[in-house]
Amino acid sequence: GESVGLHLPTLSVQEGDNSIINCAYSNSASDYFIWYKQESGKGPQFIIDIRSNMDKRQGQRVTVLLNKTVKHLSLQIAATQPGDSAVYFCAENKPGRGTGRRALTFGSGTRLQVQP
Amino acid sequence: GAGVSQSPSNKVTEKGKDVELRCDPISGHTALYWYRQSLGQGLEFLIYFQGNSAPDKSGLPSDRFSAERTGGSVSTLTIQRTQQEDSAVYLCASSTRRDVVYEQYFGPGTRLTVT
Repeated sequence: GESVGLHLPTLSVQEGDNSIINCAYSNSASDYFIWYKQESGKGPQFIIDIRSNMDKRQGQRVTVLLNKTVKHLSLQIAATQPGDSAVYFCAENKPGRGTGRRALTFGSGTRLQVQP
Repeated sequence: GAGVSQSPSNKVTEKGKDVELRCDPISGHTALYWYRQSLGQGLEFLIYFQGNSAPDKSGLPSDRFSAERTGGSVSTLTIQRTQQEDSAVYLCASSTRRDVVYEQYFGPGTRLTVT
């Protein structure tokens, strides 16, 4: 079936290093992708998004790369800080079936651990 | 400003009992979503409200689950005859726009434990 998944369940990096979190998706109809950060005990927080007509989008210390050929999405965090420690989810968005709702399909998440 | 709030933050209930989970969206947000997050898993869509339109219930796992949204603001998710597999964190999100998901703002969730 269609799914969004992650290559690594846990990623441990040293403070100051760059982090790369990967995600694979299988639904070619998805036209929008989002990365969320979820800290312990909190709801997910939007980080960055990218539309399927783009290959790269940059935010503050974060970059999302989209490779539609291999259906791969990645989140790059520059100069990782202890505050970046959290679970990161990728999500793909498919146009709703006439409902106007955008259906998000979430991956299972990658835990990022930043070592001081 | 105030974000999305949910109550209770934690709920422990016995199998077979009914529970009600509450979501207070950000004022003025017309769209409201409920998700379920099992331990170590991603978010599973449950139900979506948009303005006065009929809710999209396509994600509700069984007829034991229902939700309503009164006055276009507060929403209540009800689970009847709870089962142990209902144990999860239930997250609510609200949005200002009908079809732009990145503007979903999530609440802290309600952790439901069914014993």
